[in-house]
Amino acid sequence: EAGVVQSPRYKIIEKKQPVAFWCNPISGHNTLYWYLQNLGQGPELLIRYENEEAVDDSQLPKDRFSAERLKGVDSTLKIQPAELGDSAVYLCASSPGQGEAVGELFFGEGSRLTVL
Amino acid sequence: AQSVTQLDSQVPVFEEAPVELRCNYSSSVSVYLFWYVQYPNQGLQLLLKYLSGSTLVKSINGFEAEFNKSQTSFHLRKPSVHISDTAEYFCAVSPYGGSQGNLIFGKGTKLSVKP
Repeated sequence: EAGVVQSPRYKIIEKKQPVAFWCNPISGHNTLYWYLQNLGQGPELLIRYENEEAVDDSQLPKDRFSAERLKGVDSTLKIQPAELGDSAVYLCASSPGQGEAVGELFFGEGSRLTVL
Repeated sequence: AQSVTQLDSQVPVFEEAPVELRCNYSSSVSVYLFWYVQYPNQGLQLLLKYLSGSTLVKSINGFEAEFNKSQTSFHLRKPSVHISDTAEYFCAVSPYGGSQGNLIFGKGTKLSVKP
């Protein structure tokens, strides 16, 4: 079974430029998450989708960040314009849902962003 | 709101020695508890979890963690570590109710096992 796929793995951009990250979750996983991981910190939730609906985006900085999950499968996270402080690893995760699987997230390898 | 504190950022240990990685949490509501592990150049993966029932939970590779409600702790232990256990370990909580599945992570503990 294929895992969560993220691209690109690495991205270097100048500040004020736009950047986009793509995530393909595990087949059949209705729940998709985007997390932000700063150096030396644990992951922090940005947004959670249930199918194509963003059910929790309270931590997403909406002035420059946007996300979409068209058709309830893969997802894109965009930053426009990027700032120096956005340098971090952007993690995508998917989950089969609730019940006994609560909290069982399957993470991709992450997209490491460097803003110069 | 919930928060997770991992008291040690780095834990060096020799192979075959025991290890304990400490985790304390704060929450005004009941929570589920998790340990995730990140091996070098890999994504985070679930190591073990506590949802309910027995307070002692075990992983398939010899780790165990015990939920202590009075001390709000969920420390991770292994009686004898291997070189292959070298990784970063993250403690996480998820609240009961509508936001379950939204994990709140600690800052992580880097376990370095030396020969």
